[in-house]
Amino acid sequence: QVQLQESGPGLVKPSQTLSLTCTVSGGSISSGAYYWSWIRQHPGEGLEWIAYFYYSGSTYYNPSLKSRLTISVDTSKNQFSLKLSSVTAADTAVYYCARRLGAYWYFDLWGRGTLVTVSS
Amino acid sequence: QSALTQPASVSGSPGQSITISCTGTSSDVGRYNLVSWYQHHPGKAPKLMIYEDSKRPSGVSNNFSGSKSGNTASLTISGLQAEDEADYYCCSYAGSNTVVFGGGTKLTVL
Repeated sequence: QVQLQESGPGLVKPSQTLSLTCTVSGGSISSGAYYWSWIRQHPGEGLEWIAYFYYSGSTYYNPSLKSRLTISVDTSKNQFSLKLSSVTAADTAVYYCARRLGAYWYFDLWGRGTLVTVSS
Repeated sequence: QSALTQPASVSGSPGQSITISCTGTSSDVGRYNLVSWYQHHPGKAPKLMIYEDSKRPSGVSNNFSGSKSGNTASLTISGLQAEDEADYYCCSYAGSNTVVFGGGTKLTVL
């Protein structure tokens, strides 16, 4: 059974870089069938798609965040990571990693999410 | 790329049916048959309930159904149960390899 688990600091200072990792267990991140995604939820608000990528290199970003985003993958650890630079309080959110199957536009598996607070 | 519009809350009694709407535009919900719905119990991983407007994944109760008319998609839950109380989010493909989510609806089972 494939599972996703987010990890990273729960507190980040303004102007610094937020770094999160998603560990995939029970399946291979390089299986070729999936796009791996980051999604966030601001407190009391809806979900916001951040980015998704294919393990071999294609990456797609939310245009509103693209200039601050870096997505990377470590297939040897079966992990993928998110870096969001120059954070502000507006980046305080629960961050989820999720999986999207190939050419299909839905997310069939999610992690439980991790809360990141941006505060000095 | 604006968020899809959902009612903030809906409620119903056990056994009743409720419908949650999700309104987008002719560039997302109205253009593609690619609306999905997610159930989220706080502290747990969101769960896919409906995909491609009206398809139900294996294992999801047939009490859950999806439909769409124009720029508005809907999730209907029939035979409400206490465990259906959760937050529900819609999502639509919005072109150019992007997706847009709704603001979420809190379902209360009275």
